[in-house]
Amino acid sequence: DSGVTQTPKHLITATGQRVTLRCSPRSGDLSVYWYQQSLDQGLQFLIHYYNGEERAKGNILERFSAQQFPDLHSELNLSSLELGDSALYFCASSVRSGRADYGYTFGSGTRLTVV
Amino acid sequence: DAKTTQPPSMDCAEGRAANLPCNHSTISGNEYVYWYRQIHSQGPQYIIHGLKNNETNEMASLIITEDRKSSTLILPHATLRDTAVYYCIVRVGTGTASKLTFGTGTRLQVTL
Repeated sequence: DSGVTQTPKHLITATGQRVTLRCSPRSGDLSVYWYQQSLDQGLQFLIHYYNGEERAKGNILERFSAQQFPDLHSELNLSSLELGDSALYFCASSVRSGRADYGYTFGSGTRLTVV
Repeated sequence: DAKTTQPPSMDCAEGRAANLPCNHSTISGNEYVYWYRQIHSQGPQYIIHGLKNNETNEMASLIITEDRKSSTLILPHATLRDTAVYYCIVRVGTGTASKLTFGTGTRLQVTL
């Protein structure tokens, strides 16, 4: 158990639908990062939140959005789902330090299947 | 963040050392070298990181050349459970806006 909790583990939904993926970071971690991993794409950075504020955006589609709540958990909302959105979605957290941080801790992911 | 180059795949016999190379010839002075691995569809796992000195922890050793243009991750006694994709990443080590950019990594196959 990495300490980063992602729910649900599996999700099957139809095209056009909307889903919400949830991530609880490790205790004390202020940053949350979302990644998408498709079969043919590798790990793609989507978005980064730090203490409730958006800090960086990657190749995140306009149909996707995220937020980080005061208790530091984060949600990734995917809407108007398409077959190509089927992927593993990973959340990671890290803690800011004055020196280099010690990398990210990843959750076990949510496997989204769009049918 | 600087770009890295890794061989797409490598094999290693169980019990032997696995040496995974990474080229990062455009690395900047304030960029760290990080290694992660991903075991079949699990979340990536942090292994080790370094700036310019060699580093060792309970999982692996990291050897960075003096010019910092390349590095080698060493798994001293590989086991079947070390079969995974290994990612070498360079990034600025401080700041909350710094993100990890994963490349295609090296697929390490450990065999009996």
